[in-house]
Amino acid sequence: DAGVTQSPTHLIKTRGQHVTLRCSPISGHKSVSWYQQVLGQGPQFIFQYYEKEERGRGNFPDRFSARQFPNYSSELNVNALLLGDSALYLCASSTLVNTGELFFGEGSRLTVL
Amino acid sequence: SQQGEEDPQALSIQEGENATMNCSYKTSINNLQWYRQNSGRGLVHLILIRSNEREKHSGRLRVTLDTSKKSSSLLITASRAADTASYFCAVNNNAGNMLTFGGGTRLMVKP
Repeated sequence: DAGVTQSPTHLIKTRGQHVTLRCSPISGHKSVSWYQQVLGQGPQFIFQYYEKEERGRGNFPDRFSARQFPNYSSELNVNALLLGDSALYLCASSTLVNTGELFFGEGSRLTVL
Repeated sequence: SQQGEEDPQALSIQEGENATMNCSYKTSINNLQWYRQNSGRGLVHLILIRSNEREKHSGRLRVTLDTSKKSSSLLITASRAADTASYFCAVNNNAGNMLTFGGGTRLMVKP
């Protein structure tokens, strides 16, 4: 079975641009979470979606938004990119809303110049 | 802000030795989890310990949890070069799946 897949794996943007990151969860998993990991730090929670509804939001500005589609895949959108948005963006899926264990994808590495 | 704090930040040992990493957190928790990350790649779940558990084993891994001290430790026995990675503790303290990660311990196991 395929694990969590994320695209693109790497991308470079300039300040002020917009980016969309995509995630496909493990088949059967209905919950998708997004995390931002800045180099040298631990991941920070951005969003959780379950059954297409937002179930949690971290301390991130409104420039960050996400959605989940009927097939449980998800998109993370970031507007008006700043240099500080450069990070590894990780998507994680799980079967239920609060099972605890998360299955992570390999991440999308965003560089903002 | 990150709730979990790992100690040490970096650890270098020889193959065959044991590695111990510690994690402290600030609030009450539902569970505490340990994850491993190889050089900038995705995280891999290692073990989950619930707030009413004190010790858990999985292969060469042993995790303890002391809720009175708000701390946990991860012990890797008989380490191998392939164990070289960053290890993160993460706490879950609400009904959802939100995890609050620490800054991680970078473990290097020399052959």
